[in-house]
Amino acid sequence: GAVVSQHPSRVICKSGTSVKIECRSLDFQATTMFWYRQFPKKSLMLMATSNEGSKATYEQGVEKDKFLINHASLTLSTLTVTSAHPEDSSFYICSVQSDTEAFFGQGTRLTVV
Amino acid sequence: QKEVEQDPGPLSVPEGAIVSLNCTYSNSAFQYFMWYRQYSRKGPELLMYTYSSGNKEDGRFTAQVDKSSKYISLFIRDSQPSDSATYLCAMRAGGYNKLIFGAGTRLAVHP
Repeated sequence: GAVVSQHPSRVICKSGTSVKIECRSLDFQATTMFWYRQFPKKSLMLMATSNEGSKATYEQGVEKDKFLINHASLTLSTLTVTSAHPEDSSFYICSVQSDTEAFFGQGTRLTVV
Repeated sequence: QKEVEQDPGPLSVPEGAIVSLNCTYSNSAFQYFMWYRQYSRKGPELLMYTYSSGNKEDGRFTAQVDKSSKYISLFIRDSQPSDSATYLCAMRAGGYNKLIFGAGTRLAVHP
């Protein structure tokens, strides 16, 4: 299966600052990547679909100006949490999909203090 | 009604037991079915993938899909403490439609 590398694995930042999370598809060219958010003991919630060379598609209720997504190449998508607040603290996970299966990064735990 | 229903558990079993995990769904367009294992603070790891109906076996794991009943299962034989994790079912229709996840079932296998 595809290998998806996500960095950093955990980050702590101060309120008001911005944090960038990288997602790399190491062995698969991904025209589309997916960004999820997961709260403790909850399932994954799709935030947005990242499209290479074009704008991301955001799910209802997700602020696109808050969560900036850039998919500049077939192997890299980034999620930037802007002006972070404590309520943005969460586990963020990226994913790539082949024709059949979906593969996930190891996740990024963001803590905003 | 949610598109995918999964009992969140927790499910606690003794080592060596056979574990049965299940999901039901409502969308008959779903064709691709996956089971993921997620350890605490880690990303989901793909365990099993099945296309359409049928069974698939991989070591101690067996995945079953019954499209007529809209019901999928994951069986774990000879369960081990290292199997303790959250198991998520996921499914989607054809093309690059987004994955729909179940709530996840927390499994604890005790020695």
